[in-house]
Amino acid sequence: QKEVEQNSGPLSVPEGAIASLNCTYSDRGSQSFFWYRQYSGKSPELIMFIYSNGDKEDGRFTAQLNKASQYVSLLIRDSQPSDSATYLCAALYSSASKIIFGSGTRLSIRP
Amino acid sequence: GAGVSQSPRYKVAKRGQDVALRCDPISGHVSLFWYQQALGQGPEFLTYFQNEAQLDKSGLPSDRFFAERPEGSVSTLKIQRTQQEDSAVYLCASSHRGRNTGELFFGEGSRLTVL
Repeated sequence: QKEVEQNSGPLSVPEGAIASLNCTYSDRGSQSFFWYRQYSGKSPELIMFIYSNGDKEDGRFTAQLNKASQYVSLLIRDSQPSDSATYLCAALYSSASKIIFGSGTRLSIRP
Repeated sequence: GAGVSQSPRYKVAKRGQDVALRCDPISGHVSLFWYQQALGQGPEFLTYFQNEAQLDKSGLPSDRFFAERPEGSVSTLKIQRTQQEDSAVYLCASSHRGRNTGELFFGEGSRLTVL
């Protein structure tokens, strides 16, 4: 079992719809969780982080964390073609030195 | 500099050759990480420095891999006797916080191809 698991996709969503990306993690001691976006051929960039159970909203993005279920999600509202990318879920492990990434979910927004 | 700088951007090596990949983090950033990213996969953790101290090297796949950051700024990842399975993009990331908070700034990566 990988430490951070994501569905590899591709996930295809029509423009203007809500894209929902999911992630599970295995280390119950993990405290912090991150969503990075990676365009093809580029390096990852941080778009959201969440530390507490519940929802955190930033513009069109909402991150959700459920520590009891060891589940993290990212919702993208009003999806745009520019949102087409690979989304990487990451967890800061309880050792506080490793940041472990999932394998990423490819998201495609179709016009 | 304005961002994390990595060099070379592309490196082709013959199997058995030694390579060195350089990372120049954002000025003042205390923490530095190396990741290996194979095609279609997420970044795999290799090692982590806080200033010049290598605090975690548990992700280095073999003793052919070695990383250093002697003055707490520029870091070098060295791969000895390269193998085809070493072909990947090597990403360097830095963070301004002493304690790792996960907010990483990545360089553009060094793409290594081993023939």
